[in-house]
Amino acid sequence: DTAVSQTPKYLVTQMGNDKSIKCEQNLGHDTMYWYKQDSKKFLKIMFSYNNKELIINETVPNRFSPKSPDKAHLNLHINSLELGDSAVYFCASSQDTAREQYFGPGTRLTVT
Amino acid sequence: GEDVEQSLFLSVREGDSSVINCTYTDSSSTYLYWYKQEPGAGLQLLTYIFSNMDMKQDQRLTVLLNKKDKHLSLRIADTQTGDSAIYFCAVLFYNQGGKLIFGQGTELSVKP
Repeated sequence: DTAVSQTPKYLVTQMGNDKSIKCEQNLGHDTMYWYKQDSKKFLKIMFSYNNKELIINETVPNRFSPKSPDKAHLNLHINSLELGDSAVYFCASSQDTAREQYFGPGTRLTVT
Repeated sequence: GEDVEQSLFLSVREGDSSVINCTYTDSSSTYLYWYKQEPGAGLQLLTYIFSNMDMKQDQRLTVLLNKKDKHLSLRIADTQTGDSAIYFCAVLFYNQGGKLIFGQGTELSVKP
């Protein structure tokens, strides 16, 4: 039983393209997140949604647009991809904003 | 500001205890977490401690929290080669939408 799943696991694309990463959780949680892990393994929050409402937007370029069609899904769309966007993107979910967060397996994005 | 610091590397022999340390700056945190990341994998929640606790034990894991010094540690008893991974300390700010601030991660290497 996968709790937090992401697709795709790997994504290789060229600069300038637009791509999406999908995330789904089957834990019945109300809050979902996107984190970015850079090449030095540093993890930083990008967005969080609570009950489909955006509550954190951490100075992320507006080329990144999260979309939450329902509480179980949080997708990340990236326009005009740049080399610096290459990273591992993790989705996470929690029961609410005060509880432990469970992470998905990550999506390794490589921009060439 | 919010800052979480960890040492980058720790090497121990199999069977020894490992102690991974973490310091943080902001005292308005609520929960403090330890996550484990194996190569190419997502983040696995190991354990957590609430900010009004001093210690929590969970099988081979012991978490100690010194609120005065803003110091958190994770002790792994009888360390095994399967414990080799990167360990992340993370601090939750629930009044900031569930924002998790991560340390840089400590790479634990267990030698047979």
